[in-house]
Amino acid sequence: DTEVTQTPKHLVMGMTNKKSLKCEQHMGHRAMYWYKQKAKKPPELMFVYSYEKLSINESVPSRFSPECPNSSLLNLHLHALQPEDSALYLCASSQEVADLSYTFGSGTRLTVV
Amino acid sequence: RKEVEQDPGPFNVPEGATVAFNCTYSNSASQSFFWYRQDCRKEPKLLMSVYSSGNEDGRFTAQLNRASQYISLLIRDSKLSDSATYLCVVNGKNSGYALNFGKGTSLLVTP
Repeated sequence: DTEVTQTPKHLVMGMTNKKSLKCEQHMGHRAMYWYKQKAKKPPELMFVYSYEKLSINESVPSRFSPECPNSSLLNLHLHALQPEDSALYLCASSQEVADLSYTFGSGTRLTVV
Repeated sequence: RKEVEQDPGPFNVPEGATVAFNCTYSNSASQSFFWYRQDCRKEPKLLMSVYSSGNEDGRFTAQLNRASQYISLLIRDSKLSDSATYLCVVNGKNSGYALNFGKGTSLLVTP
């Protein structure tokens, strides 16, 4: 299995909702990442997990809460989002944090209404 | 100054043409360099790594000039399927090794 699987593929949520994005990989990768990509912009790093521990938080607002329950799973919990948070949320993994090769999931396209 | 800068294009070229993209990076401590390809509404996919000695993969050639902090990608004999956004990407210890993406250069290959 050489894939990163993200669910759901599409999500529409209200500003008062609580939802979660899920990312899963079974490649034995020990580094996992969340990126946010707005239309016509490059992906921007949000969080880095290394060996299930949060190693980088790029000053992301607390309405985004990451969680790494085990080495294969990475979640992003969403609460009280704003319409400007609408974007493509990409999960990626790599063998180690310093590894050169990332595998990206196909993303969750989030719309906040 | 942005850490990774690219000409956003778009580059419109006919099939069979040769096209070159350039990218500059600001952090001299950057250690690894890549070109990613992203199709519309899809995730980025690694096209090729970029090595100091230059490297080639079929119709694609990547070059790195560390002294000038400059990366290039050359595509020969363009195909319609090459139409995509090409993202210049660097990483290094200064960024916690996470990938740092340029804004991308849009390529449209026309019949």
